[in-house]
Parts: sequence; C-alpha cells; structure tokens
Amino acid sequence: GAVVSQHPSRVICKSGTSVKIECRSLDFQATTMFWYRQFPKQSLMLMATSNEGSKATYEQGVEKDKFLINHASLTLSTLTVTSAHPEDSSFYICSARDTTSRDNEQFFGPGTRLTVL
Amino acid sequence: QQQVKQSPQSLIVQKGGISIINCAYENTAFDYFPWYQQFPGKGPALLIAIRPDVSEKKEGRFTISFNKSAKQFSLHIMDSQPGDSATYFCAASPYTGRRALTFGSGTRLQVQP
Repeated sequence: GAVVSQHPSRVICKSGTSVKIECRSLDFQATTMFWYRQFPKQSLMLMATSNEGSKATYEQGVEKDKFLINHASLTLSTLTVTSAHPEDSSFYICSARDTTSRDNEQFFGPGTRLTVL
Repeated sequence: QQQVKQSPQSLIVQKGGISIINCAYENTAFDYFPWYQQFPGKGPALLIAIRPDVSEKKEGRFTISFNKSAKQFSLHIMDSQPGDSATYFCAASPYTGRRALTFGSGTRLQVQP
C-alpha cells in the first residue's frame, strides 16, 4: 500500500505554545488529506478535511482558529495546534486519499503523540 | 445517521480459531466499507475493503461479508494468530463528496496462544 509519513512522531510542549505536525504522502499524490484525533482506547474522530489549494473543511465542534490546516502541495498537509493546552493532548493521525485509486482508499500516517504540560 | 455501530467491544479467540467482528450502518449513501487494523501507538493500516456490488471479498485469512439489505458487514479472520492481536475498526464512506470515513468504535482482539 501507499506510504504516509508524519512528523514529529512525538512532541511534548508547554501550555500556550504552538505545535506543527506534518503529513506527507511519499509515493502518491493526495488532493485530499484528513486529520483525526484519537483518545486512549477510543475510535478515530475526524477533525477536518484538508484540500490542496483551498480552505480546509472542519467538523462541527472543531475550532478552526485553534487547529490551523494548510495543504500547500499535493503531498503535504500541516496541522498547527495553536496555544496548546493540556486538554489538547492526544494522538493526532492524518490520512491521505490516493487520487488515482478507483476506490476511496485512504492510507494513514503513523500518528503524532502530543503531550501538553 | 452517520454512525457505524461495531461489536463486540472486545474479543478473545484461541490460536487457530475464527475471529468475527460485526458492523452496522444507517446511511444509505455509504458506498465503501474498509476495515483497519491498529496496533498500540501506531496509525491504522488498511486490511481489506468492499463495495456493495459484491457480498463477499477474501484476501488471505481476511474475509468481508456484506449484507446490503440488512446494512451490515463483518470481518472474519480465519486461523487467528497471536500476531493478529490488535484493535480493528470498521469504517464507511460515501462515494461522492468529501468521502470522509466514519469509523466504528473499535474491537480489541486478543488471540491466545
């Protein structure tokens, strides 16, 4: 399957700082990427849909000014958690859809563990 | 209507046995049904997926059964191995629009040696 990378894999920061997470599709182009949040022993919750060259679409209840998304190219989307607080601590996972795939195959990155102190 | 209901929450199977996980959906616009496997601290990995034009799809030890009229689909893991111990998520998405995945709540599978 296609490969999606995320960087960093783990980040610890102080409350009030901003953290940027990168999501890259390594061997395919992705006009659409998705950002999820996962709490321990829970399912994945869709936060937003990242579209190359246009504004992201946020799910209800997700603060777009807090979670800034930029999809600057066909292989890179970034999520910036601004003014992070302890309640933002979570596992953030991105996925990318292979635009050449007939089906809606989405491939996930390895995730980023964010801990806000 | 966007929910995908998954059961059981947890499952313990003996090595060599069959693991069965079930999912049900309401949204008739869903047209793509993948299963993902997730190990602790890792991202989900696509296992197998099905479209509603077929009732069953098999890849190795993994089989999806799909019942369109009942709006249910299930994952069967044949000859379950300890290495299959992980959390499994079903998901569904429409074939148009953003095509975002809606995930089930997950099933923690433990295969005992």
